[in-house]
Amino acid sequence: DAGVIQSPRHEVTEMGQEVTLRCKPISGHNSLFWYRQTMMRGLELLIYFNNNVPIDDSGMPEDRFSAKMPNASFSTLKIQPSEPRDSAVYFCASSFVDSGQPQHFGDGTRLSIL
Amino acid sequence: GESVGLHLPTLSVQEGDNSIINCAYSNSASDYFIWYKQESGKGPQFIIDIRSNMDKRQGQRVTVLLNKTVKHLSLQIAATQPGDSAVYFCAESPTGTASKLTFGTGTRLQVTL
Repeated sequence: DAGVIQSPRHEVTEMGQEVTLRCKPISGHNSLFWYRQTMMRGLELLIYFNNNVPIDDSGMPEDRFSAKMPNASFSTLKIQPSEPRDSAVYFCASSFVDSGQPQHFGDGTRLSIL
Repeated sequence: GESVGLHLPTLSVQEGDNSIINCAYSNSASDYFIWYKQESGKGPQFIIDIRSNMDKRQGQRVTVLLNKTVKHLSLQIAATQPGDSAVYFCAESPTGTASKLTFGTGTRLQVTL
């Protein structure tokens, strides 16, 4: 079974550049979550969607971050402009919330901003 | 680079022994709890979950215990194997589902031969 697919797996870019992270959730799942993981702060929820609609974006650090889910099989997390402190591993997860099933995570995008 | 970060507690266990990983949660309204395993370079992998109307749930080689009185959760792994070496996270949710999880800082399990 295909799990949650994230791309790219690694991204290295210079400060000020736009970064776009991509996620394909598990087919049939109706909720999608973006997380950030750092040594300093651990695993933090940034935003989550239900049925393609953003439900809670209170974890989004600031206006430089935005997320979209144009359809049930694709989501993006964009950082513009990027800063060195955005360096982290970004995870996407999906679930079918109403079934009581747990979230399934992708293998993340390791982002380094120089 | 960062010189200060989260200090992950580490549990060292000999292969074949049982492991117990503990987690204290903060929100007394939480009614759904879940354990994840994260190996290096990978995303968190679901292990087992439990709802607040239960105090114990068993899976294959794993058992989760929930003590709501003291807001404590534990993960027991029987006959620990080298492949169990990873960081283990507990997470809680007040919504009864996995819709909004708050993760703990994690515990590193090292299995020695």
